[in-house]
Amino acid sequence: SQQGEEDPQALSIQEGENATMNCSYKTSINNLQWYRQNSGRGLVHLILIRSNEREKHSGRLRVTLDTSKKSSSLLITASRAADTASYFCATEITGGAQKLVFGQGTRLTINP
Amino acid sequence: SAVISQKPSRDICQRGTSLTIQCQVDSQVTMMFWYRQQPGQSLTLIATANQGSEATYESGFVIDKFPISRPNLTFSTLTVSNMSPEDSSIYLCSVESGQGKDNEQFFGPGTRLTVL
Repeated sequence: SQQGEEDPQALSIQEGENATMNCSYKTSINNLQWYRQNSGRGLVHLILIRSNEREKHSGRLRVTLDTSKKSSSLLITASRAADTASYFCATEITGGAQKLVFGQGTRLTINP
Repeated sequence: SAVISQKPSRDICQRGTSLTIQCQVDSQVTMMFWYRQQPGQSLTLIATANQGSEATYESGFVIDKFPISRPNLTFSTLTVSNMSPEDSSIYLCSVESGQGKDNEQFFGPGTRLTVL
């Protein structure tokens, strides 16, 4: 399977703490995108990082990409109860006609 | 970002029947994608729909089971045919935000299908 792997599968932390999720993939990519999904609803696009970028920030989100290790991480700082959701990484494979390959996701729970 | 709507938002269907899901975008897009998310699982691409050509299906998905229409640059339908309980999933359409490389892909709210 070309699907990436995410770890941990589930993460539970206290409000205010930082949450880190990791994503690994198998093939050469154009970019990697992170999404959030609340309770089986639609996906919300969080951030896109290109293959020639190493780090990107958006508000409380920090994404890193290491193409030599074929891995990425998503850091959410100062977590809030509203951050409780499933988080997915998705890779746009080089030569893959813009289609995305999704990781298995991390279920994040923020405890008040 | 594109605004994407899907109809219906959810449905409960009997086995052996078919359901057509609609996806409407508020701007013209070249490529539209259909994904399936089985319960507790990640997303899997079903097919890519280009306007004016046949959809391109991923391994494990066939046109007879998931026929797709793409009549114009803002609309597409996915039909789930001859349904069985194993087809119970969330079906999502998505589009890319631009024409070039490295564009964000945005998703519709999904259609939650339950097959009895």
